[in-house]
Amino acid sequence: GDSVTQMEGPVTLSEEAFLTINCTYTATGYPSLFWYVQYPGEGLQLLLKATKADDKGSNKGFEATYRKETTSFHLEKGSVQVSDSAVYFCAPRREGSQGNLIFGKGTKLSVKP
Amino acid sequence: EAGVTQSPTHLIKTRGQQATLRCSPISGHTSVYWYQQALGLGLQFLLWYDEGEERNRGNFPPRFSGRQFPNYSSELNVNALELEDSALYLCASSLHRGRGTEAFFGQGTRLTVV
Repeated sequence: GDSVTQMEGPVTLSEEAFLTINCTYTATGYPSLFWYVQYPGEGLQLLLKATKADDKGSNKGFEATYRKETTSFHLEKGSVQVSDSAVYFCAPRREGSQGNLIFGKGTKLSVKP
Repeated sequence: EAGVTQSPTHLIKTRGQQATLRCSPISGHTSVYWYQQALGLGLQFLLWYDEGEERNRGNFPPRFSGRQFPNYSSELNVNALELEDSALYLCASSLHRGRGTEAFFGQGTRLTVV
């Protein structure tokens, strides 16, 4: 079945450091790809998405590029802030009867001042 | 515009009892999804309803069931509760069921089984 592999963390960075969170997926067909973020004590919020190969999703300084050939959708940010501390989830979504979002375990990010 | 709302926020049940969790999607959204978030296990897909029908079901036992009402709200029922059912249950909704459609999440219901 469909699945997602992410570095589990926790990832601990200093403020203004560069962030990369790797995400690879297996999914039948041609999924869209999403990154969601969960701040402490809250539900999930959409961070960014990409719907076709080579598309770049971006939001709040975060970016991710849909790499179909490597089935990857790595999340990057050039300079993290303490307020970015959260759990990040990568999720593919495909068409059809199994077209619900598939999540992995998420990656916990802690940013220290 | 109101987001996805879930009730109750917290629920404490005894092992063997039944729990009912409720979800109201964003107005106009026809798809509702249920996920279980247990500690350390990420989000596990439970159920997906769209326009009143069950579209897909995750790898959970039959004592996890649900339904979607004509107004697209949904409820999740968990029968014969077990201690390991303790988790945060998240509901999400989307406008359509297409692959590019994002899902919006509620704040969740924290179920504790004692």
